[in-house]
Amino acid sequence: GQQLNQSPQSMFIQEGEDVSMNCTSSSIFNTWLWYKQDPGEGPVLLIALYKAGELTSNGRLTAQFGITRKDSFLNISASIPSDVGIYFCGSDSWGKLQFGAGTQVVVTP
Amino acid sequence: SAVISQKPSRDICQRGTSLTIQCQVDSQVTMMFWYRQQPGQSLTLIATANQGSEATYESGFVIDKFPISRPNLTFSTLTVSNMSPEDSSIYLCSGAPGWGMNTEAFFGQGTRLTVV
Repeated sequence: GQQLNQSPQSMFIQEGEDVSMNCTSSSIFNTWLWYKQDPGEGPVLLIALYKAGELTSNGRLTAQFGITRKDSFLNISASIPSDVGIYFCGSDSWGKLQFGAGTQVVVTP
Repeated sequence: SAVISQKPSRDICQRGTSLTIQCQVDSQVTMMFWYRQQPGQSLTLIATANQGSEATYESGFVIDKFPISRPNLTFSTLTVSNMSPEDSSIYLCSGAPGWGMNTEAFFGQGTRLTVV
């Protein structure tokens, strides 16, 4: 199937720093979704993007749907310890999700 | 938003045995799916659970190994059959409320399976 390339694989940042991660694909997607997974839990939807160029915020999180429809980024501003987790980009096709490899975020005090 | 409950949350099983995982949604959903997340990996779709008919499996997954039931719009089961250590993974159930492109899927907490 179509591949989602997510980077970076992991990030070690200090509390208060901003975090940025992105996903790219060789194919055009109609949706971009960003999920966060805490240890021992299922992924939780953070932001859903449905239009090329769309920029959406959810608190300290901001995500954009690339104009080419082949990429998306997620920014976390002023990171806090509870931002620790694995962040996945994904694309939706009739409810079926295809996920990127994930970005593990570690926040140190 | 709807809530998915999975049972069991974790289990340790002997190789050669089978485990059935249950997924209960607190409201009706059109679509239900099962994913596998191997240690340190991303989620991979196993199959779409279709109400009242056979599940639709993704490439690399077969019904004999992962039989799925979906008797109604709120419940589904996944069985991991004839388990081997390679089946040790987190298995996650997902629901999506409706048809169409803007279907924001949500997940259960997962079942952490260890096969010894």
